[in-house]
Amino acid sequence: QQQVKQSPQSLIVQKGGIPIINCAYENTAFDYFPWYQQFPGKGPALLIAIRPDVSEKKEGRFTISFNKSAKQFSLHIMDSQPGDSATYFCAASYTGGFKTIFGAGTRLFVKA
Amino acid sequence: NAGVMQNPRHLVRRRGQEARLRCSPMKGHSHVYWYRQLPEEGLKFMVYLQKENIIDESGMPKERFSAEFPKEGPSILRIQQVVRGDSAAYFCASSPEGLIDTQYFGPGTRLTVL
Repeated sequence: QQQVKQSPQSLIVQKGGIPIINCAYENTAFDYFPWYQQFPGKGPALLIAIRPDVSEKKEGRFTISFNKSAKQFSLHIMDSQPGDSATYFCAASYTGGFKTIFGAGTRLFVKA
Repeated sequence: NAGVMQNPRHLVRRRGQEARLRCSPMKGHSHVYWYRQLPEEGLKFMVYLQKENIIDESGMPKERFSAEFPKEGPSILRIQQVVRGDSAAYFCASSPEGLIDTQYFGPGTRLTVL
């Protein structure tokens, strides 16, 4: 119930492509869904986050789509660039809870 | 405003030794979290602390691991009698009062147990 399942494990796209990373959860108490970007040797950095009261959120080239009934959410990266090559983690937490549950991560490689 | 600081960045210990990992949260942040990341895996929650208090340690192994966040000074994650399976990257994150969802991560400490 506390798991967040993330797919795919790895992804290769051409520059300008739109990689999509998907996550699914079971616990309906989750009400905060952040995405983190991690470069090798660095800590994760918060990229964008969404709450279940909206179905989509955009920040620059990054968009989260959220489907509450399916308990799924996804990250889309528009016009992807080689500099976007990193590992992306979805996560979930709930108000009043103290831990953030992370997905296993997706390694994205954007070819120049 | 400096980010979350962790030291050392790399730590090598022999089996049976103690490892001490330090985390200084961002200025003004009173919530600290510790996570462990094994190679090719996601982050696993270990413990959540506020100043001088452990709030949730449900992700921490019951033996050999302890954490503290004293009134003055950094948060410390302590691993006694390390074993090879403790080799991992340990990340600290902090968040400000009232925004505990928003966690800012440090660069991590990479522990290698020989």
